[in-house]
Amino acid sequence: DTEVTQTPKHLVMGMTNKKSLKCEQHMGHRAMYWYKQKAKKPPELMFVYSYEKLSINESVPSRFSPECPNSSLLNLHLHALQPEDSALYLCASSQVGLALITGELFFGEGSRLTVL
Amino acid sequence: AQSVTQLGSHVSVSEGALVLLRCNYSSSVPPYLFWYVQYPNQGLQLLLKYTSAATLVKGINGFEAEFKKSETSFHLTKPSAHMSDAAEYFCAVKGGSEKLVFGKGTKLTVNP
Repeated sequence: DTEVTQTPKHLVMGMTNKKSLKCEQHMGHRAMYWYKQKAKKPPELMFVYSYEKLSINESVPSRFSPECPNSSLLNLHLHALQPEDSALYLCASSQVGLALITGELFFGEGSRLTVL
Repeated sequence: AQSVTQLGSHVSVSEGALVLLRCNYSSSVPPYLFWYVQYPNQGLQLLLKYTSAATLVKGINGFEAEFKKSETSFHLTKPSAHMSDAAEYFCAVKGGSEKLVFGKGTKLTVNP
């Protein structure tokens, strides 16, 4: 059982829709991440939040908008997406401090997004 | 900057045979190294990690990996493959404050 919970597991949306992906962890981690994973590819980092503040944005298009309302929750708001944005979106968390340096991440099971 | 090369995008073994998945890294600072496993339609799960303690690292599900600085390698092994080991395996490296860098992955198939 993963301790990082992502909802929904599957999402189908049109290019004009607005939707959100949600991620929750209760491990007391203060760093949270969004990754995008295309089929047969490794995960690609999108955003990192540290102590609820955005610390890394990997030049992600503005149609993806992250939000960290509190230390346990991470959202990814989606608007005007393109079909090429279809992918598995993975949320992860880690301790801050030494664990942030060592890089151990705890992943959720992902939200599979299809953009029509 | 760090980088990871996984040799072989696809490895096939028979059940009960040795599993060897190869990973070579490049890092300008002492690295932290990881193997993650991803089962179909799931997220990534940490198998094991090297964080500058023992060079032979034991992980979950009978896997282990050996850090060899002279060869810049961190190969993953398991003495006897099980059908449930079929998955995608990612090697990853992190050095200092830089982000975690994943290899391209190796898909392991286990034949009965």
